[in-house]
Amino acid sequence: DQQVKQNSPSLSVQEGRISILNCDYTNSMFDYFLWYKKYPAEGPTFLISISSIKDKNEDGRFTVFLNKSAKHLSLHIVPSQPGDSAVYFCAAISGGGADGLTFGKGTHLIIQP
Amino acid sequence: GAGVSQTPSNKVTEKGKYVELRCDPISGHTALYWYRQSLGQGPEFLIYFQGTGAADDSGLPNDRFFAVRPEGSVSTLKIQRTERGDSAVYLCASSRGVNTEAFFGQGTRLTVV
Repeated sequence: DQQVKQNSPSLSVQEGRISILNCDYTNSMFDYFLWYKKYPAEGPTFLISISSIKDKNEDGRFTVFLNKSAKHLSLHIVPSQPGDSAVYFCAAISGGGADGLTFGKGTHLIIQP
Repeated sequence: GAGVSQTPSNKVTEKGKYVELRCDPISGHTALYWYRQSLGQGPEFLIYFQGTGAADDSGLPNDRFFAVRPEGSVSTLKIQRTERGDSAVYLCASSRGVNTEAFFGQGTRLTVV
């Protein structure tokens, strides 16, 4: 039973345009959300996070939006660059974090020149 | 070291053999996590250490899997009587504490033949 869902296995976006990656979750106990980026043969790299007390967090070209009532979050990348091509994982954590991060299956973002 | 280091980067073993996977976390990070990532899936939580003790090992799939962190730094994931289904990338992550950014190693790709 997937508690964190990324329903788009892949997404193709033109360079310079906005990339929007979506994530849904089912566990209402999740209170902290993170996005990780992963290149082949490397471990995931932290990108940006958001606490459940906020609805938006921005860091440079990356913005994460959280809609708690819909149990939905999204990552916006603008403008998209070729180096953004990677697999993006949405992850969530609850309470004390002892259960570690619960990850989605990932979305492969492809930035086309 | 500068980041989380995992050795070996690749391991091929025969079914039924015993393997050990090593993780050297970032110095000073008290929290250490092991994850397993199968093809097409997101990382799946296995076990979490806070210091030397396993705070949560609920993600270990069965009793063939065991992990230690005797001095609160380096951790070893041990798999007995390996099965072909154990083939995956095993990721280690460390953080300063729970609900803080976790830094991942590059992973160990385990192949059981």
